[in-house]
Amino acid sequence: KQEVTQIPAALSVPEGENLVLNCSFTDSAIYNLQWFRQDPGKGLTSLLLIQSSQREQTSGRLNASLDKSSGRSTLYIAASQPGDSATYLCAVPLYNNAGNMLTFGGGTRLMVKP
Amino acid sequence: EAQVTQNPRYLITVTGKKLTVTCSQNMNHEYMSWYRQDPGLGLRQIYYSMNVEVTDKGDVPEGYKVSRKEKRNFPLILESPSPNQTSLYFCASSFGGLKTGELFFGEGSRLTVL
Repeated sequence: KQEVTQIPAALSVPEGENLVLNCSFTDSAIYNLQWFRQDPGKGLTSLLLIQSSQREQTSGRLNASLDKSSGRSTLYIAASQPGDSATYLCAVPLYNNAGNMLTFGGGTRLMVKP
Repeated sequence: EAQVTQNPRYLITVTGKKLTVTCSQNMNHEYMSWYRQDPGLGLRQIYYSMNVEVTDKGDVPEGYKVSRKEKRNFPLILESPSPNQTSLYFCASSFGGLKTGELFFGEGSRLTVL
């Protein structure tokens, strides 16, 4: 059974810092890995989707990397801003369910202080 | 605007009173799914649908029903709600399924069962 873990569970940084969020998964047979952002009381917004054949994806100040063999992905946020404060979740489709079900990590709650 | 729309956004009901949470997407996505989010348990998948008239159970289907009569709509039905179904519910959709496509979420429906 795939298990997805995110460490740390919470993170507080001053504005302007570069930071890294971690996601690890137990089964390396994945189709892809997706990073989401969730604001309090809101739905999830897709940030980046990395296919299993890719090593990284970039969107603006965000860069996500994927190392399937070690079961890890990182989300790098450059020059953090207070508006980046949110919960960040990673998720992988279950391989043994033909990729139709998603397993989520518990999330990292990020606070960027002005 | 491309979106996933859920209704109602907030609902308080009583045990045993049937209710339906509607979900509609305007992106012509084949794949749709329902999740519930609970503190300490994270996001868990309830049901998903790969296309019209094709539905399947997720991790926590007990007490729920779904139907997919049209491509754009995927309602979640609670035939006899119980207090343990108090939760934040999300509908999501994807083009071509989770193997390749990003997942787009609705804003969520907060349900309280007394």
